[in-house]
Amino acid sequence: DAKTTQPNSMESNEEEPVHLPCNHSTISGTDYIHWYRQLPSQGPEYVIHGLTSNVNNRMASLAIAEDRKSSTLILHRATLRDAAVYYCILTTGTASKLTFGTGTRLQVTL
Amino acid sequence: KAGVTQTPRYLIKTRGQQVTLSCSPISGHRSVSWYQQTPGQGLQFLFEYFSETQRNKGNFPGRFSGRQFSNSRSEMNVSTLELGDSALYLCASSLAQGARYQETQYFGPGTRLLVL
Repeated sequence: DAKTTQPNSMESNEEEPVHLPCNHSTISGTDYIHWYRQLPSQGPEYVIHGLTSNVNNRMASLAIAEDRKSSTLILHRATLRDAAVYYCILTTGTASKLTFGTGTRLQVTL
Repeated sequence: KAGVTQTPRYLIKTRGQQVTLSCSPISGHRSVSWYQQTPGQGLQFLFEYFSETQRNKGNFPGRFSGRQFSNSRSEMNVSTLELGDSALYLCASSLAQGARYQETQYFGPGTRLLVL
């Protein structure tokens, strides 16, 4: 499976935008980029996914580089409830077998 | 719509025993996947079931098994428990319609298993 690289941790102030980077230099042409997050004491939660174009939903935006070797999850206004571990995952063949890396632990402070 | 439910939420067993965990997917979802989460190994895929058949399998010993019923509910079983099996076991369901590589997985809260 193609590998992703994320920073171990990031910090943000509440109400400020957060940009969570993900490198996936070995991505193949058919790999989708998925983001999930895991809040404390909960199961992972879907955030957003995309293939080539930037994507927006009510939770976040996904900016995908033109060469697709990196992507950025954007939380427009971080709140304390966004404190979680964020996982960037490439789906090769099936999205029902997710390969989780170590993710980025996001801390949000007042 | 109710989310993915898992029972029990917490379980304590001793080495050598076996355990069965249950997962009820979101209504209408046909695929159920299981994951193990430990502090050392993170989240690891165990297996996926679709239409009562195992469709994908992770790299776990044969002590880990599962099954899916006709109503899409799934169970996983771990036999001859070892201390290292202590973990959070997560179940995820998906619709399993259309392109599989862009399906959204919906996770349950997990079952926390402690093996003494």
